[in-house]
Amino acid sequence: DIQMTQSPSSLSAPVGDRVTITCRASQGISNSLAWYQQKPGKAPKLLLYAASKLESGVPSRFSGSGSGTDYTLTISSLQPEDFATYYCQQYYSTLWTFGQGTKVEIK
Amino acid sequence: QVPLVESGGGLVKPGGSLRLSCAASGFTFSDYYMSWIRQAPGKGLEWVSYISSVGSTIYYADSVKGRFTISRDNAKKSLYLQMNSLRAEDTAVYYCARRGPLGFLPSWGQGTLVTVSS
Repeated sequence: DIQMTQSPSSLSAPVGDRVTITCRASQGISNSLAWYQQKPGKAPKLLLYAASKLESGVPSRFSGSGSGTDYTLTISSLQPEDFATYYCQQYYSTLWTFGQGTKVEIK
Repeated sequence: QVPLVESGGGLVKPGGSLRLSCAASGFTFSDYYMSWIRQAPGKGLEWVSYISSVGSTIYYADSVKGRFTISRDNAKKSLYLQMNSLRAEDTAVYYCARRGPLGFLPSWGQGTLVTVSS
């Protein structure tokens, strides 16, 4: 199975900061990567797919980049509604896997 | 109209069985791959299984292979997860999700809680 490792596992940042979350795959996944946002008690919400394509309705402050095994989610200016847990997911393999999550908290 | 609604969760003893259902609406169910994902209390997301649009292709995570069976009824616009030989570590909120054109998941249900405990 392809293992997905996110870093950091948590971070604390003030509103307005630029935030970056990294996801590393145990083997190359050819940009077959999605990012999700999950708020407490809610289902995950798709933010980006194919590493950098923004899902319809998602604010443009969210962006994704990367290639091969290393991918990044960036929030250009953190907003109050962005405090949540973020997960990456690879769909390159027939057996999908998620990263362990990154909790973004208010500083 | 909520597009995906799970049901069937509850409390079950270790070794027991449970069948989850997911009712779909608002889209052509038979056109899409569907998936189950779970989340143990306070933990991250774990992909469980997915099934192709006509049910001919099915995959399972190693943690549930041989114990869980995914199925669908396109006429009833419903997805199912039959869970047998349940263990304490199967305790989780179970989400059904619609797969996009590739393997990402643009639409999720609200989840149903399964608790395995004596």
